[in-house]
Amino acid sequence: NAGVTQTPKFQVLKTGQSMTLQCAQDMNHNSMYWYRQDPGMGLRLIYYSASEGTTDKGEVPNGYNVSRLNKREFSLRLESAAPSQTSVYFCASSARQGFYEQYFGPGTRLTVT
Amino acid sequence: QQQVKQSPQSLIVQKGGIPIINCAYENTAFDYFPWYQQFPGKGPALLIAIRPDVSEKKEGRFTISFNKSAKQFSLHIMDSQPGDSATYFCAASNRDDKIIFGKGTRLHILP
Repeated sequence: NAGVTQTPKFQVLKTGQSMTLQCAQDMNHNSMYWYRQDPGMGLRLIYYSASEGTTDKGEVPNGYNVSRLNKREFSLRLESAAPSQTSVYFCASSARQGFYEQYFGPGTRLTVT
Repeated sequence: QQQVKQSPQSLIVQKGGIPIINCAYENTAFDYFPWYQQFPGKGPALLIAIRPDVSEKKEGRFTISFNKSAKQFSLHIMDSQPGDSATYFCAASNRDDKIIFGKGTRLHILP
């Protein structure tokens, strides 16, 4: 039981490049989330998927897109990376939307130069 | 109305001391108040959670105190240890909506 897995763990991009962060969970959870964590800013929700087939914007969606590929997988895409997107990205899942217990992946540290 | 305000931003305590982290909320529709613990290089993990109809909950050395009328809750760590050094997030959740996280408290326990 791996829980929530994320790839890659580290990534360096040049401004304007694109990339996709992958996330998968093996807990049969309905809801999945993408957060970014910056010093002093806490965890900010980028996008979430309440259930398979649905996605919604969170607090800071600009510059990102998501795909809920199936119940297990939820990817985050940066179409044209900017230095302001340098951050640590966490994927999380929960049994249902709004449930207080979320399971987080190990994170992806992204640097945009 | 959806904010959860957390303080302090950072905290240094001697081993054996009792660090206290405070949070406040506005939205009375929240129905669960969890705390998450995050070690460096790791994702946050659920530590302990409380419902608004309970004034206190203990799990080992960790205690949540909840004041519904003041819309405040706090985390106490008894007999703190260097291994408790981490970032702590309070949060509030609302059934069928989202979890709102506080901005976090970086706790350092001196040996």
